[in-house]
Amino acid sequence: EDQVTQSPEALRLQEGESSSLNCSYTVSGLRGLFWYRQDPGKGPEFLFTLYSAGEEKEKERLKATLTKKESFLHITAPKPEDSATYLCAVQVDPFNKFYFGSGTKLNVKP
Amino acid sequence: NAGVTQTPKFQVLKTGQSMTLQCAQDMNHEYMSWYRQDPGMGLRLIHYSVGAGITDQGEVPNGYNVSRSTTEDFPLRLLSAAPSQTSVYFCASSYGNSGNYGYTFGSGTRLTVV
Repeated sequence: EDQVTQSPEALRLQEGESSSLNCSYTVSGLRGLFWYRQDPGKGPEFLFTLYSAGEEKEKERLKATLTKKESFLHITAPKPEDSATYLCAVQVDPFNKFYFGSGTKLNVKP
Repeated sequence: NAGVTQTPKFQVLKTGQSMTLQCAQDMNHEYMSWYRQDPGMGLRLIHYSVGAGITDQGEVPNGYNVSRSTTEDFPLRLLSAAPSQTSVYFCASSYGNSGNYGYTFGSGTRLTVV
């Protein structure tokens, strides 16, 4: 059964304290792994797509990496405005289908 | 660009009532999807469409109907509301298979069934 697990469920950081969020998956026929940011009361906002093991993408203080079994979202020197829930999703064959993890709620304190 | 517009933002239904959640996008996206988001369960796909006139079921389609008569609109119909359908519903759209741009999500409809 295709499955996506995110950890931790919640993470509290001090401003400037770097950390990583994990997304592990067990799927067959992975076509892509996606990271989204979701603010309270809003829809998810697209961050990155990763397609193959070893791939990395960066955006401001965020860097996403992918292995054959998991993805990490590294947050370097976070700021309070990075506080949000971060979701990962895998796209599998047939390629119309996405499976989302339940998210990591990040709280960055000033 | 308005992006993906969902209406209404909030709705309370009584068990057994029916209603339609509206979704419209102005980006000429081929793909449109409906998800529900429940605490601790992540987003789950209800129905999706790869173009006007073409729809298919997702992970949790029971109790919901969709149709896609135009590229822009993808309404979700609840046939006979049940308390288990209390959730936040998101509509999303994308180019092709979403590629490097992922989905664009609407701001959601919070539905409560009493």
